[in-house]
This record gives sequence, structure tokens and C-alpha cells, in this order.
Amino acid sequence: AQSVTQLDSQVPVFEEAPVELRCNYSSSVSVYLFWYVQYPNQGLQLLLKYLSGSTLVESINGFEAEFNKSQTSFHLRKPSVHISDTAEYFCAVRDGSGAGSYQLTFGKGTKLSVIP
Amino acid sequence: NAGVTQTPKFQVLKTGQSMTLQCAQDMNHNSMYWYRQDPGMGLRLIYYSASEGTTDKGEVPNGYNVSRLNKREFSLRLESAAPSQTSVYFCASSEVGTILLGEQFFGPGTRLTVL
Repeated sequence: AQSVTQLDSQVPVFEEAPVELRCNYSSSVSVYLFWYVQYPNQGLQLLLKYLSGSTLVESINGFEAEFNKSQTSFHLRKPSVHISDTAEYFCAVRDGSGAGSYQLTFGKGTKLSVIP
Repeated sequence: NAGVTQTPKFQVLKTGQSMTLQCAQDMNHNSMYWYRQDPGMGLRLIYYSASEGTTDKGEVPNGYNVSRLNKREFSLRLESAAPSQTSVYFCASSEVGTILLGEQFFGPGTRLTVL
């Protein structure tokens, strides 16, 4: 079974500073990787995903994540954060081996707090 | 499209009471899921339904039952609520195929408190 580790439970950062939220997953032959964002009192929204192809994927609001197979990581980065980025971020993985499992395994989440 | 809808949004129960959480999706997805979210625990899968007519246990199924009523609706039932079931419950749906490859779409959640 897959497992996902988000190394930081809380990350405070000043507005306009860069941020990196770390995510590592257990090894598998092939995986699909996702970052979801949860704003206060809301459900989860997909931020970006890696399915295949380029290892660097981007979201429409300036986040990017890089799939690193050798390090089994999928860290999320943003060069300059905004107050509106304050939220909880979840990394998730799905086994891509085609065994038929539709399940996503989620990390425990990282709360990003942007300080004015 | 409304996406994934959940009712109720909030609920307070007494220990031993029963209730059903409702979930519906209008995206014609085959797969549906129920998660619970607790502080510091992330999301944990309770039950899922890969397709209409099938249901399977997830990571934390004890104390819950589910019904896949039709392709659109997937309900979660607590037969005898316990304080340990105080949580936020999320329903999600997905379509497994070459395009979406399992991306899940989430409802707004139900906040349940068991006293």
C-alpha cells in the first residue's frame, strides 16, 4: 500500500517570500501524484497533478511541483506567496500500475500561513 | 453543474443516535468515496464505490455503512453514533480513464459532532 509523508505540519512564511511544501511517497513502479488545497471551511480543490511527461507541473496561480522519481518526492513550490495562499495543502498519490485501485492516499496535510 | 453536493452541512448527534449523510454528483462519474478528516490525520478513506452496485471498505470502515443508491448518489450511515465519530466528512467522486486518471472531486463537507 502507498504511503505519503508531508514533512511539515505547519509552515509560516512572510508575504512575497518563497515557500516549499515537502511531500515524499513510498516507492512504486509508477504513480500519479496530486496536490490539493483546502481553504478554511471548504472542501478540497485540485491544485496540480503529475500523470506523465514533463516532471515539472504548474498551477494557474503560480504554484509548481516537480516529480523526482529517484527521491520519491513531489515538493510544491511558489516563488512569491500571497495572503490568499493561506490554506492547508494535501499531497496525494495513486498507484499507476493499473491494478484497478482507484484510491488516493493522502498525506496528513501542511498548513501554510502567510504573514502580512 | 453543481459538482458534488452533500447534506447536511452541520449535524449534532447524541451518542447512540443514527443518521445518514447524503452525497450526490452530477458529473456522471462511476466512482464515489467517503472520507473523514480529523486534525493532524489528513483524510482517511471510510468506504468507496468503484462503480454502481459495488462498495468496498477503506481504511476506517468500523461503525459505518454505505449505500450506492444509483450512479449519482452515495450515502453514509452511522447506525449508533459515538463521540469518536466527531469529524468532518467529505464525499468525492472520480472517473477512471485515460484523461482524468483518478482525479477526485470533493464536496463541501459535513461537520458532525457527537455528544
